[in-house]
Amino acid sequence: AQKITQTQPGMFVQEKEAVTLDCTYDTSDPSYGLFWYKQPSSGEMIFLIYQGSYDQQNATEGRYSLNFQKARKSANLVISASQLGDSAMYFCAMREGGTGNQFYFGTGTSLTVIP
Amino acid sequence: DVKVTQSSRYLVKRTGEKVFLECVQDMDHENMFWYRQDPGLGLRLIYFSYDVKMKEKGDIPEGYSVSREKKERFSLILESASTNQTSMYLCASSQDATSYEQYFGPGTRLTVT
Repeated sequence: AQKITQTQPGMFVQEKEAVTLDCTYDTSDPSYGLFWYKQPSSGEMIFLIYQGSYDQQNATEGRYSLNFQKARKSANLVISASQLGDSAMYFCAMREGGTGNQFYFGTGTSLTVIP
Repeated sequence: DVKVTQSSRYLVKRTGEKVFLECVQDMDHENMFWYRQDPGLGLRLIYFSYDVKMKEKGDIPEGYSVSREKKERFSLILESASTNQTSMYLCASSQDATSYEQYFGPGTRLTVT
């Protein structure tokens, strides 16, 4: 079974609007972390936001927030007030507890911001 | 700032050649990772290492090997390159705890002809 599922291969959003990128995860480990990364066309992977499995509140970082619904095992990324520079691939990832802490990545969502 | 560097941004090799991809991190991280990234498939883990001389297979280790002789350096080796190994290769490192993110290198785009 896939550890991380991103069901939206491509998304479009109007500039200045908000957009939600979906992510669901699968784990039986009670301790885990959820991450979102952005990959612009230049190729570098940029860390955006982190949510721990024991965190009570949803994580926020500037225009990024993570809608964490533990019972549904979902960790959607919300980008508010989209900008042209937000056009990129977005990857959801999970890290389980244990030695080495292997990361699992989804297949990504390509976001295009329309002026 | 954490820095992860990879020896080449672009590499072209012939089928059957032995290929070395080098990765170096400067933040004393315990964990290092090699991924390949292909369109529509996302990032797939090839190997990771949680300590010097320690390695674990990821999801797609076939055709690859790794070496970690020093904490800061993690090498990916293609013993006999094949055309289906043409891909983007990303190295990453992280501290050893669930809450720490990975830091990525700039990637190596390998073409095997």
